Amino acid sequence: KNEVEQSPQNLTAQEGEFITINCSYSVGISALHWLQQHPGGGIVSLFMLSSGKKKHGRLIATINIQEKHSSLHITASHPRDSAVYICAVPRSETSGSRLTFGEGTQLTVNP
Amino acid sequence: GAVVSQHPSWVICKSGTSVKIECRSLDFQATTMFWYRQFPKQSLMLMATSNEGSKATYEQGVEKDKFLINHASLTLSTLTVTSAHPEDSSFYICSARDWTSADTQYFGPGTRLTVL
Repeated sequence: KNEVEQSPQNLTAQEGEFITINCSYSVGISALHWLQQHPGGGIVSLFMLSSGKKKHGRLIATINIQEKHSSLHITASHPRDSAVYICAVPRSETSGSRLTFGEGTQLTVNP
Repeated sequence: GAVVSQHPSWVICKSGTSVKIECRSLDFQATTMFWYRQFPKQSLMLMATSNEGSKATYEQGVEKDKFLINHASLTLSTLTVTSAHPEDSSFYICSARDWTSADTQYFGPGTRLTVL
């Protein structure tokens, strides 16, 4: 069964700072998800990636399959980026789309 | 991107009543939908996997008679919390799997259930 660890648990930054959130997992996977959850609870899927790097606006996600590690970067952070960021991976090598989730990283960006 | 909706977005009910939550994929067909529960300050926990036209697969510790799941069409799955109790108060989230892209899941906005 896959174990997911995210760091840091909490992160406070000043507007404009470069943010990095890390995710490590224990079992080989086909793809990893990065999700964003706003205070109201709604979840937005940011990235699904299986190798290399993906970029969307100010967000960049990278994954190293050999090291079982992924990072989510936010460039030029803004207060509206304040949210919980969650990493999710398949529960096992054979679980398909059934996901297990990290504890999340609470990001607060101050103006 | 693809859109998944949930209805209602929040519901308050009395203990002992049943509550139905709908999850719809709006612009794609979802052969598989997933139901999650999230308690305050905790991560999402998978409750069950809902497959269109067949019985749902429940995770260990989730009572199938209490959390009834129906996936009657390729765009709709429902979760019914039967005989709700205050401990069932939680945030319920669904996701839908896009059959054209095996590992892509789109998440609904969630339903906050409060049982008095």
